[in-house]
Amino acid sequence: GIQVEQSPPDLILQEGANSTLRCNFSDSVNNLQWFHQNPWGQLINLFYIPSGTKQNGRLSATTVATERYSLLYISSSQTTDSGVYFCAVEPRDSSYKLIFGSGTRLLVRP
Amino acid sequence: GAGVSQSPSNKVTEKGKDVELRCDPISGHTALYWYRQSLGQGLEFLIYFQGNSAPDKSGLPSDRFSAERTGGSVSTLTIQRTQQEDSAVYLCASSPLSGQPQHFGDGTRLSIL
Repeated sequence: GIQVEQSPPDLILQEGANSTLRCNFSDSVNNLQWFHQNPWGQLINLFYIPSGTKQNGRLSATTVATERYSLLYISSSQTTDSGVYFCAVEPRDSSYKLIFGSGTRLLVRP
Repeated sequence: GAGVSQSPSNKVTEKGKDVELRCDPISGHTALYWYRQSLGQGLEFLIYFQGNSAPDKSGLPSDRFSAERTGGSVSTLTIQRTQQEDSAVYLCASSPLSGQPQHFGDGTRLSIL
C-alpha cells in the first residue's frame, strides 16, 4: 500500500520563528489533507490540497502531486501552534480512506 | 449539530466486556468513517460508510469489531469481548461525499483494564 512519510518527526521552535514541514508519499493520490492535532487530541482541518498552493493566515501549504510531496509552512509561530501535524492522503484506488503519516510533533516555546 | 459528535468521550471497561461507541456526523454528510489512533499504530482506517452501506470493512482488526449505520446518519462501532490491545482513541469523521474533505469528531478514548 501507499506509504506516507513526514519530516521532521519532532521540532522545537522559539515563538516567532518560521518552519517547514514535509510530507512525502509513495504513489499517486487523489487528495491530500493537513491536520493539526492539538494537545487535547482534537484533529483540526488545515488544508485540503491535492495540488497547488493555499494560504490561511500564518499557514500555507503547497502540494506538488507530480513529485509526490507536500509542504506545510508555519510563519511567525505561536505557542498555540504546538501539537502534532498530520499529513493524510487518499490513494487513487480507494479515494475514501485517509492514509496518515506518523506526524510532526511541534513545540513552540514562549 | 455544527460538527461531528462522538459519545462517550471516555470509556473504561474490563477485558471481555462489549462496548458500543457512537458517532453523529455533520448533518447532510453521506459519507462516514471510523479510524483508530493508538500509540503503536498511529492513525489507521477502520471502516467507511456511504449512506447505510459499508463498501470497505477491510480495516476492521478482527471479527470482534463491527459497525452499522442507520438512517444515513448515526453510526455505532461495537467491539465484542474487548482485549487490552483494543485500548485506543476511536475517531469518527464525515464528509459530504466520499473523496471530499473529512471532518473529525473529538474521539472516544477507550481503556481496557
